[in-house]
Amino acid sequence: NAGVTQTPKFQVLKTGQSMTLQCAQDMNHEYMSWYRQDPGMGLRLIHYSVGAGITDQGEVPNGYNVSRSTTEDFPLRLLSAAPSQTSVYFCASSRAGSYEQYFGPGTRLTVT
Amino acid sequence: GQQVMQIPQYQHVQEGEDFTTYCNSSTTLSNIQWYKQRPGGHPVFLIQLVKSGEVKKQKRLTFQFGEAKKNSSLHITATQTTDVGTYFCAGRGNSGYSTLTFGKGTMLLVSP
Repeated sequence: NAGVTQTPKFQVLKTGQSMTLQCAQDMNHEYMSWYRQDPGMGLRLIHYSVGAGITDQGEVPNGYNVSRSTTEDFPLRLLSAAPSQTSVYFCASSRAGSYEQYFGPGTRLTVT
Repeated sequence: GQQVMQIPQYQHVQEGEDFTTYCNSSTTLSNIQWYKQRPGGHPVFLIQLVKSGEVKKQKRLTFQFGEAKKNSSLHITATQTTDVGTYFCAGRGNSGYSTLTFGKGTMLLVSP
């Protein structure tokens, strides 16, 4: 049982490039979320999903897209990277009704 | 939107001293969760409080949820160097499926 996995661990992008951050969970959790963490800002919700085929925006969705075609996977796409998207990105999952969130190890992204 | 304020931002204590972090929400919460993040790590769930006035203990950690369900605290008795990290509260609103709003966290440093 690997829990929540994220790839890559580190990534450097140039402004304007696009990429996808991968997130997968093997706990059959219904809910999945993407957060970004910036120094002194806590964790801010980007997008979330309450089940396959259902996604919604969080607090800071601009510049990011998500889709949820399976229960296990919840990729986050950066459409055209900007320096303001330099951050640590965490994916989390939880069981419906439980709300305890399990976080992945994070992806540290730098946009130059 | 819902806001969750957490104080202090940072605290440095000597090993053996007590530590408390406080969390206040702008709106009434359905529940509140606490997470710990070690330096370089990911947030790890500690506890969830649901009932008004609830108090829960985990060894040296005591968690409280206010009577109005708008504030919460985490108290650590006799800190140890293993307590080092950032402690986050995260509140969930009352309406339907409501997302978690994280406080900015309190960074705890413990000197031996």
